[in-house]
Amino acid sequence: GAVVSQHPSWVICKSGTSVKIECRSLDFQATTMFWYRQFPKQSLMLMATSNEGSKATYEQGVEKDKFLINHASLTLSTLTVTSAHPEDSSFYICSAEGGELFQSTDTQYFGPGTRLTVL
Amino acid sequence: DAKTTQPNSMESNEEEPVHLPCNHSTISGTDYIHWYRQLPSQGPEYVIHGLTSNVNNRMASLAIAEDRKSSTLILHRATLRDAAVYYCILRAWGSGSARQLTFGSGTQLTVLP
Repeated sequence: GAVVSQHPSWVICKSGTSVKIECRSLDFQATTMFWYRQFPKQSLMLMATSNEGSKATYEQGVEKDKFLINHASLTLSTLTVTSAHPEDSSFYICSAEGGELFQSTDTQYFGPGTRLTVL
Repeated sequence: DAKTTQPNSMESNEEEPVHLPCNHSTISGTDYIHWYRQLPSQGPEYVIHGLTSNVNNRMASLAIAEDRKSSTLILHRATLRDAAVYYCILRAWGSGSARQLTFGSGTQLTVLP
């Protein structure tokens, strides 16, 4: 299957700082990338969907000014958590899919996740 | 969104087959059935997906009921590495929000040595 990487795998930061997380599709071109958040003992919650070259679509309740998403190329999307606070501590996971648009048989491939801890 | 219902947890003995059930009584004709699994502290891993016919791949088999209101993921010989949360997800054909995966609580599979 296709490979998606994330960097860093974990990060610890001070409250008020910003953190950038990268998501890369290593062996395919990702027309769409998704960002999820997962709190302990809970399931994944979709935060936003981004298509290459266009603005991300955020889910209800997700602050677009706090979670900045950039999908500048077909292999890279970044999530920046701005002015992070302890409640932003979570496991952030990206996924990517390629192939033909509007084909829901396309498979989403997930990155390994980034553990963010805000002190 | 069409929803799925899975048992919270299941146990299996190592090297025995495992049948993970999923109910999706409100499935529509264009919904594909996807299965993912998530090991601790990792991102989800694609397992298999299907529409109407049973599907096999190197990881598992997917048996879909004739009325499509339920499906079963079959691991033919469970190993300790198969211990994970298994998610059954419906994904509609189409664009926009239809492409999203909505994760439920899944089934925690424990494999006993």
